[in-house]
Amino acid sequence: DGGITQSPKYLFRKEGQNVTLSCEQNLNHDAMYWYRQDPGQGLRLIYYSQIVNDFQKGDIAEGYSVSREKKESFPLTVTSAQKNPTAFYLCASSIQGRQNEQFFGPGTRLTVL
Amino acid sequence: AQSVTQLDSQVPVFEEAPVELRCNYSSSVSVYLFWYVQYPNQGLQLLLKYLSGSTLVKGINGFEAEFNKSQTSFHLRKPSVHISDTAEYFCAVKGSGGYQKVTFGIGTKLQVIP
Repeated sequence: DGGITQSPKYLFRKEGQNVTLSCEQNLNHDAMYWYRQDPGQGLRLIYYSQIVNDFQKGDIAEGYSVSREKKESFPLTVTSAQKNPTAFYLCASSIQGRQNEQFFGPGTRLTVL
Repeated sequence: AQSVTQLDSQVPVFEEAPVELRCNYSSSVSVYLFWYVQYPNQGLQLLLKYLSGSTLVKGINGFEAEFNKSQTSFHLRKPSVHISDTAEYFCAVKGSGGYQKVTFGIGTKLQVIP
């Protein structure tokens, strides 16, 4: 059963701590993405990767870091430098090709206390 | 550069009534257009997409959308809504040249009233 998994579903952290969100896909997609969703702001692109060992900053990359060591995995680290990290984080993947849609995971809700 | 405007942040509608969710876009190149649906605390699911060809696109769950190039619009419609259609709907645009990121609208919350 192919798809994208994100874990955990809910995550609580204290201010000043780094936290890593997991994203795994078994769709054999080359491209993967991380979005942040805040109420009334839609989805904003944090980072994306079109191929293993390569990734690019999106619109709001400050305070975040990623790695792409395997095709299936694209973890996102929210660092202490991110000033307002509480949000819903969505991971997505797609087949390479301009016309192809993105497939989304179920999301991780991060709350920083 | 490209942008997406969803004109209504919330749309209440009675069950079995028709609904239209509006989306306008701007882009300097040809575009691909998408509508996604998001149920509470879940990821986004593709409803339909326009790539080329017929301007009327049919999607899942009885939804359809019409691409209007002259008005740069891609409005989503359903002739008769059900309670289960209550969700947030996102319009998205992607440029057709080279690598282009996807730009999402801010979303429209559809509330179906029994």
